[in-house]
Amino acid sequence: DGGITQSPKYLFRKEGQNVTLSCEQNLNHDAMYWYRQDPGQGLRLIYYSQIVNDFQKGDIAEGYSVSREKKESFPLTVTSAQKNPTAFYLCATAGGYEQYFGPGTRLTVT
Amino acid sequence: KQEVTQIPAALSVPEGENLVLNCSFTDSAIYNLQWFRQDPGKGLTSLLLIQSSQREQTSGRLNASLDKSSGRSTLYIAASQPGDSATYLCAVRGMKTSYDKVIFGPGTSLSVIP
Repeated sequence: DGGITQSPKYLFRKEGQNVTLSCEQNLNHDAMYWYRQDPGQGLRLIYYSQIVNDFQKGDIAEGYSVSREKKESFPLTVTSAQKNPTAFYLCATAGGYEQYFGPGTRLTVT
Repeated sequence: KQEVTQIPAALSVPEGENLVLNCSFTDSAIYNLQWFRQDPGKGLTSLLLIQSSQREQTSGRLNASLDKSSGRSTLYIAASQPGDSATYLCAVRGMKTSYDKVIFGPGTSLSVIP
């Protein structure tokens, strides 16, 4: 079963705690992306990676960190420095310039 | 800076109607434009991808057109069904940066009434 998996689907954390969101793909795509989606807004790019061991900041990288140790995996850590972490987080890959998305993780921080 | 807008923000139509969703972008130097569908609480599903050299793409009841010079794309849905109810987003991939940056519109929320 090919595709992109994100876990967990729902995540709850207390303010001040770091949390890591998982993204795994078996599409053999080089490029992977993390987006944040807030109600009434379009998707905003947090980080992206074109190849293993390399990644770049997107438009709203502050308070987030990533790693790309394997082609299949691109985990996103939401740190305590992120002021408004509650949002819907979407992971995506790109193959042939077309983007494919995972099911998303809804993070709630209280 | 590329900006993408979508009109209308929300649309409600009776079942069976044909409808058009609009997407506008400010910088015509794009590589491609992609239309997505998003169901509540779900990820995005790709509907149609139009390369910058193309004028339109069709898939079933969906037809997307692209006019780069005017910075516009439309998504036409024929004979709408309740199952078409979702949010539709357009996204443009730029050519001016060193990486494949994609800019998304805010989406059009479609409700098809049985």
